[in-house]
Amino acid sequence: QVQLVESGGGLVKPGGSLRLSCAASGFTFSDYYMSWIRQAPGKGLEWVSYISSSGSTIYYADSVKGRFTISRDNAKNSLYLQMNSLRAEDTAVYYCAGEATGDDAFDIWGQGTMVTVSS
Amino acid sequence: DIQMTQSPSTLSASVGDRVTITCRASQSISSWLAWYQQKPGKAPKLLIYKASSLESGVPSRFSGSGSGTEFTLTISSLQPDDFATYYCQQYNSLWTFGQGTKVEIK
Repeated sequence: QVQLVESGGGLVKPGGSLRLSCAASGFTFSDYYMSWIRQAPGKGLEWVSYISSSGSTIYYADSVKGRFTISRDNAKNSLYLQMNSLRAEDTAVYYCAGEATGDDAFDIWGQGTMVTVSS
Repeated sequence: DIQMTQSPSTLSASVGDRVTITCRASQSISSWLAWYQQKPGKAPKLLIYKASSLESGVPSRFSGSGSGTEFTLTISSLQPDDFATYYCQQYNSLWTFGQGTKVEIK
């Protein structure tokens, strides 16, 4: 069935790095436009980053610009988020999500992976 | 940046009630608005896209309306499975979510 599975979360010290992965199955990943969205504990949803189906177009939220890098490998049906210079305020559940047209709502979501930034 | 403001933040209702949640955008987003439902510990689930289009498999008691800067999500007859938090999201210019509306049991 259609599925996104995130991995790579964990506990990291402030200033540290972490790489999240999102494995896709059950659909043609290379057709999908993908984003990372995060949710701090007890808080709302915050869009983090976007990558087009080919990888040619990338956007970042101001809160992570210059620290996070989104990428994808369509041959491996995978999406990535490299997170550097992590701060306490980056603590959140990170979801990957996607949609098929390039201008629509997110109709596929992963289950999320928790990132905790703490000393 | 486009800001999204939902009201109310919390809503207490009973099974069978008609429930309406409002979402306002800080500038016109045409009909580029979605509504999601999220239950504790779970990922959000798409309910409505393009302001009023019902996602496949979503019960018809959910409906969306509006355009420009003001939008509503209506649940015509609240069911036990509908107690959750609801988020609006604009995708006219990048992506922004509202702060959420928790629908709780009265």
